[in-house]
Amino acid sequence: GDSVTQMEGPVTLSEEAFLTINCTYTATGYPSLFWYVQYPGEGLQLLLKATKADDKGSNKGFEATYRKETTSFHLEKGSVQVSDSAVYFCALRGTQGGSEKLVFGKGTKLTVNP
Amino acid sequence: DAMVIQNPRYQVTQFGKPVTLSCSQTLNHNVMYWYQQKSSQAPKLLFHYYDKDFNNEADTPDNFQSRRPNTSFCFLDIRSPGLGDAAMYLCATSSRVTGTEQYFGPGTRLTVT
Repeated sequence: GDSVTQMEGPVTLSEEAFLTINCTYTATGYPSLFWYVQYPGEGLQLLLKATKADDKGSNKGFEATYRKETTSFHLEKGSVQVSDSAVYFCALRGTQGGSEKLVFGKGTKLTVNP
Repeated sequence: DAMVIQNPRYQVTQFGKPVTLSCSQTLNHNVMYWYQQKSSQAPKLLFHYYDKDFNNEADTPDNFQSRRPNTSFCFLDIRSPGLGDAAMYLCATSSRVTGTEQYFGPGTRLTVT
């Protein structure tokens, strides 16, 4: 079945550092790929998405490119801020039966220190 | 703003005492989901509705039930909560027509005493 493997944290960075959180997936066909962010005590917010190969999703300085050849969707940000401290989930929505469902990675907790 | 609303944000119930969590949406999405999320884990899908068509996950305990009386509202009923049911419960919606992503509510934190 479909699966997502996400770099496990926690990740601790200083403000203005470069961020990469790795995400790879296994799926049949061409799934849609997402990054969600969860701040403490809150629900998940969609950060960015990509629906086909070579698409780049971007939002709030974060970027991720859908790489079909490496089955990856790594999240990057050039200069993190303290306010980016949160848990980040990579997810896919497949194309087979039950495609309303999301398959999540385990999440990566990011802490940014001033 | 169109959104997904969950009430209450915090719920305390006693062991074995039935509890109902509610979710409403103004997005007019045809799919609604309930997830359970325990500390430091990814959300786990319990069930979802596509319109009025109910889809239960194979490993969702019978203790968890759901109702969707109309497009806007969906309820999660826990018939006899155990200590292991303490968690964050997340409601989400999506539209088969307009997009692939899910939109989440802020969650209800359930405590079982």
